Amino acid sequence: DVKVTQSSRYLVKRTGEKVFLECVQDMDHENMFWYRQDPGLGLRLIYFSYDVKMKEKGDIPEGYSVSREKKERFSLILESASTNQTSMYLCASSLFGTGIGEQYFGPGTRLTVT
Amino acid sequence: GQQLNQSPQSMFIQEGEDVSMNCTSSSIFNTWLWYKQDPGEGPVLLIALYKAGELTSNGRLTAQFGITRKDSFLNISASIPSDVGIYFCAGDLIQGAQKLVFGQGTRLTINP
Repeated sequence: DVKVTQSSRYLVKRTGEKVFLECVQDMDHENMFWYRQDPGLGLRLIYFSYDVKMKEKGDIPEGYSVSREKKERFSLILESASTNQTSMYLCASSLFGTGIGEQYFGPGTRLTVT
Repeated sequence: GQQLNQSPQSMFIQEGEDVSMNCTSSSIFNTWLWYKQDPGEGPVLLIALYKAGELTSNGRLTAQFGITRKDSFLNISASIPSDVGIYFCAGDLIQGAQKLVFGQGTRLTINP
């Protein structure tokens, strides 16, 4: 079974802090994704990566950056946390290829910025 | 922007009832996926569909990839309390793009 783990289930940070969210997958997937989920807005893609050191912006990249130094690990960075970044953050991974769309999600990190 | 229309947005049913939800788009999809999300958890993949017209079952769940490749439905038969959650459809819009487009979700509530 694919396993995607996220470093924290719940996190509380202060405005202006630098925040790191870590994601690790154990299935040798090339693709990794970061989403945020807010009520009424569904899942919105922040960034994704299809290879080590590669990254592409998703639909809402502003205020975020990412790092992929190893294939199994994908980090989301909030450079200076703001209250409007309070949300549920979900990491996912998938195989690279055509017609292989299945993404596998981690349990999520609920981030509160005060 | 959102390219998948998922309906209904919410459902309130009695235990034992059958459930049906669907997703439609004006665009052609190569893949349709159905996920379930329990409260406070990440989405879990239920069913994956890869060919137009494909009908796939997973226990009490049945999903179909529409023949036009622009829609998909998910049915749940004889609902039980653990079916409560949010169901998402997702699709691979552009072949080879590696990204999915997600529906807004259907929140299912079951009265025992």
